Amino acid sequence: DTAVSQTPKYLVTQMGNDKSIKCEQNLGHDTMYWYKQDSKKFLKIMFSYNNKELIINETVPNRFSPKSPDKAHLNLHINSLELGDSAVYFCASSQGRGPLGYTFGSGTRLTVV
Amino acid sequence: GENVEQHPSTLSVQEGDSAVIKCTYSDSASNYFPWYKQELGKRPQLIIDIRSNVGEKKDQRIAVTLNKTAKHFSLHITETQPEDSAVYFCAARLYTNAGKSTFGDGTTLTVKP
Repeated sequence: DTAVSQTPKYLVTQMGNDKSIKCEQNLGHDTMYWYKQDSKKFLKIMFSYNNKELIINETVPNRFSPKSPDKAHLNLHINSLELGDSAVYFCASSQGRGPLGYTFGSGTRLTVV
Repeated sequence: GENVEQHPSTLSVQEGDSAVIKCTYSDSASNYFPWYKQELGKRPQLIIDIRSNVGEKKDQRIAVTLNKTAKHFSLHITETQPEDSAVYFCAARLYTNAGKSTFGDGTTLTVKP
């Protein structure tokens, strides 16, 4: 009964490959996010979806494409992976309107070699 | 946009001592301030939060204070224990929008036995 589940947990791939990360939440939240955590532990938002609609798209390379088939799912597809994409990617969910914090997924550690 | 500064970046205390982490924010419209704890290799988890209409909130050994005029808020941990060792993140958001939380850069707290 994991609240926010993310797969895979680890991803090791070669430069130039394409990969996807999946996220699902069963909390009934209407907003989902992708955050990137770099080696210095900084948490930076990438995308946010509210009821399947993209509402935040930070300055992220076009190689990153999110997709939300419904409000319980948010996936992240990355094309032409680069060494600098190595990081931990966290999915999170919350109620978009309301004083509620995020519930994070367990993270996907992406290593590009 | 919102900018959140967090200090110190690292903090080391003896078990039983108190620890204080401070954050400042730039957008006076922000009205919700959560704190997250991230243990090594795990996801960030919400530990306490405060709304802008409240000056202080306590939950057992942790407390958060907010000074809206000065636009800063602080996390206080009393009687620290080794299991409090983690990275702590502050964040700020406007909870009337389906918007993002802006995170501070994190504080690595080490509690020495």
